[in-house]
Amino acid sequence: QVQLVQSGAEVKKPGSSVKVSCKASGDTFNNYAISWVRQAPGQGLEWMGGIIPIFGTGKYAPKFQGRVTIIADKSTSTAYMELRSLRSEDTAVYYCARNYNWNFFGMDVWGQGTTVTVSS
Amino acid sequence: QSALTQPASVSGSPGQSITISCTGTSSDVGDFNHVSWYQQHPGKAPKLIIYDVTDRPSGVSHRFSGSKSGNTASLTISGLQAEDEADYYCTSFTSSSTLVFGGGTKLTVL
Repeated sequence: QVQLVQSGAEVKKPGSSVKVSCKASGDTFNNYAISWVRQAPGQGLEWMGGIIPIFGTGKYAPKFQGRVTIIADKSTSTAYMELRSLRSEDTAVYYCARNYNWNFFGMDVWGQGTTVTVSS
Repeated sequence: QSALTQPASVSGSPGQSITISCTGTSSDVGDFNHVSWYQQHPGKAPKLIIYDVTDRPSGVSHRFSGSKSGNTASLTISGLQAEDEADYYCTSFTSSSTLVFGGGTKLTVL
């Protein structure tokens, strides 16, 4: 059974960048798309983008295009999400999640979440 | 890419049935049978409860069911139980090959 384990909480200054990792274990990493979803305090879920490891290129929501990069290291079954030019509104819990198919159809396995706090 | 539209809140008494709607467009919900529903309890990660409009993952109660008509998908919970009180979100695959969430619905069990 696949598990996704994310890196720990981060505190960042406005204008800086954050990189969150997501390591998969227990199943084949390459066969499924990986999505990144965030949730600001008291707010709903928001799809940021994702990657299909067998293709290797990221796909991003229009809102985050140009500010986020998602990559996958197939050799270590680890996905990464880097968000740049951080502002206070980026304070949120960031989740990685496995899609139940090869594309972004929906997510069946979730990481535990990584809290990112942006504060001066 | 606009968020899918869900009611902000719904409520029901134990044993009753409730339905949550999720309205999109012909570029997402209306064009693809890749609508999913998630349950999220406070402080927890979301849990997939319906995928591909009507399918239930293994281990999810039969009290949860999904459907779709045109640009609107729906989640029905029958035989409401106290443990069903949570936030519910829908997603849909889009014509841009991305995923879009609904705004979320808070379910209160009275």
